[in-house]
Amino acid sequence: EVQLVQSGAEVKKPGESLKISCKGFGYNFPNYWIGWVRQMPGKNLEWMGLIYPGDSETRYSPSFQGQVTISADKSITTAYLQWSSLKASDTAIYYCARLLVYTNGWYGDYWGQGTQVTVSS
Amino acid sequence: EIVLTQSPGTLSLSPGERATLSCRASQSVSSGYLAWYQQKPGQAPRLLIYGASSRATGIPDRFSGSGSGTDFTLTINRLEPEDFAVYYCQQYGNSPAWTFGQGTKVEIK
Repeated sequence: EVQLVQSGAEVKKPGESLKISCKGFGYNFPNYWIGWVRQMPGKNLEWMGLIYPGDSETRYSPSFQGQVTISADKSITTAYLQWSSLKASDTAIYYCARLLVYTNGWYGDYWGQGTQVTVSS
Repeated sequence: EIVLTQSPGTLSLSPGERATLSCRASQSVSSGYLAWYQQKPGQAPRLLIYGASSRATGIPDRFSGSGSGTDFTLTINRLEPEDFAVYYCQQYGNSPAWTFGQGTKVEIK
């Protein structure tokens, strides 16, 4: 059974760093792209970026380029999303998803349960 | 960049009724590459439909997708209590493919 299991909720202060994780089970992890999605409170879903764990090729949405870093360690079937300096506006739920990627786009067929990130002084 | 507009914003229906949700694209979606997701409160999105009309694994056949070009529809026949949720569309046929539709909430009347 395909599963993506994300790390637990985080409460941080502005300016702090953070790395959250997404561990894949039940499929050949290196061979599928993983995407990250932000959902701010009461708001829409937004793709942030994606990574191919097989070779760590990474793509970022222009809206998130330079704001976050996506990485992966295929040896432990885990993808990561990290911030070097959090802002209050980073408060959101973050989802990872296994992606099926086509020439011009992708969709998520399996999703993690989400990680709540709260940034508050 | 393709903009996806979903309508209506909210649909108020009773269990057993049919729901018809629309997703309109600002340009033609290549190859009919459009997906629909369901999101219940406090839960992650779940893939329902891909390729405009193919049901994802485990999705009941009361969910169906149709459409091509710029106009796509998600139909839910005989609404069950667990179907009351927010539904999002997303295109993956044209680059860039970073955005979702703004969602349609299906609520109990």
